[in-house]
Amino acid sequence: QVQLQESGPGLVKPSETLSLTCTVSGGSINNYYWSWFRQPPGKELEWIGWIYSSGTTNYNPSLKSRVTISVDTSKDQYSLKLTSVTAADTAVYHCARYFSAGGNRHYLDVWGNGATVTVSS
Amino acid sequence: EIVLTQSPATLSLSPGERATLSCRASQSVSNYLAWYQQKPGQAPRLLIYDASNRATGIPARFSGSGSGTDFSLTISSLEPEDFAVYYCHQRHNGPETFGQGTKVEVK
Repeated sequence: QVQLQESGPGLVKPSETLSLTCTVSGGSINNYYWSWFRQPPGKELEWIGWIYSSGTTNYNPSLKSRVTISVDTSKDQYSLKLTSVTAADTAVYHCARYFSAGGNRHYLDVWGNGATVTVSS
Repeated sequence: EIVLTQSPATLSLSPGERATLSCRASQSVSNYLAWYQQKPGQAPRLLIYDASNRATGIPARFSGSGSGTDFSLTISSLEPEDFAVYYCHQRHNGPETFGQGTKVEVK
């Protein structure tokens, strides 16, 4: 059974870079799409971006200028970097896997429990 | 960006009752819509995909319907473990988006 675990600092200073890693266990990172989401306190989920195991990425236009997602297939890990953070970036950050429902339709079938990141000085 | 609007915001029901949740899209998403359940401190759990297909291991009391802009999730008879927040989610067009959630709470 595939499991995902987010890791990284829980506190980041304003203007600095938020860095998180998602470790995939119980299965391979290869041949899947992987994503990052976040959920600010009391708000709905927001998609940050996805990466395919080959390295192809797609980002939410609202965050694109600040986001980089990368993959390390040798470690079955992928990572998120978000630059120039502010208090508005305080959220629970989830990593998740897409499964293919056929054609170009993909849905999120495995999620990490989330990592709480607070932006504060 | 496609906006998903869920209603009601909160549904107060008793175990054994039927729950009907609504999700309306600002433009058509065909049937490219999913429903997730989330409990406090836990990750979301996929319930329904392609608007009406139950995900692996999801009980038959959960069903989804709709296409285009109007969708619903029905829980035929609420079990104690079903009290949670439910989100709809689309990936049809533009950045994928979620609704703001419907909380199903014990009456």
